[in-house]
Amino acid sequence: EAGVAQSPRYKIIEKRQSVAFWCNPISGHATLYWYQQILGQGPKLLIQFQNNGVVDDSQLPKDRFSAERLKGVDSTLKIQPAKLEDSAVYLCASSLGGPGYTFGSGTRLTVV
Amino acid sequence: QQQVKQSPQSLIVQKGGISIINCAYENTAFDYFPWYQQFPGKGPALLIAIRPDVSEKKEGRFTISFNKSAKQFSLHIMDSQPGDSATYFCAASSMGANNLFFGTGTRLTVIP
Repeated sequence: EAGVAQSPRYKIIEKRQSVAFWCNPISGHATLYWYQQILGQGPKLLIQFQNNGVVDDSQLPKDRFSAERLKGVDSTLKIQPAKLEDSAVYLCASSLGGPGYTFGSGTRLTVV
Repeated sequence: QQQVKQSPQSLIVQKGGISIINCAYENTAFDYFPWYQQFPGKGPALLIAIRPDVSEKKEGRFTISFNKSAKQFSLHIMDSQPGDSATYFCAASSMGANNLFFGTGTRLTVIP
């Protein structure tokens, strides 16, 4: 089966600019996650969707981060405005519903 | 607060040796403990996972040992190979929540 697709692979922006990341989960996977992985650390959950509804966004910095999952399939994560500390790899993952899920290769964001 | 503590931060093992990575947790509600393997530029990939009703699970050269009373679990890689060189993350989640709490990672290097 095709894996979790993410784009772009890399993005460099200046602080205070905006950026968006896209994720296409594995077909049929109802649950979609966005994780942030700062260099040298483990991934940290930003937001979890079940179909097109938000299950958990308690760790999402809502003053600058937003995410949506239209029609319960693709998802977009946006940062506006970006800060230097947002430099990280943004990982999308999907699952049928349980915790054993599949990650995409991620988008590496550098904020300068 | 780090929900899952992982050690060591880095590990160098000779080819054919045993690699051991340890993790500890505090939240007794956790009931799913996976290990992920991550190569540079890739997302984490599920390696092996265990639930607390068993003390050990083996898949090929990879074994998870689980100590419920001590709230600790570990990954053993037998006959370590240079291709095993990667970063390994332990993680934990609780039933129904599905979001994973990751350790800080262990960079394993297997020397030929």
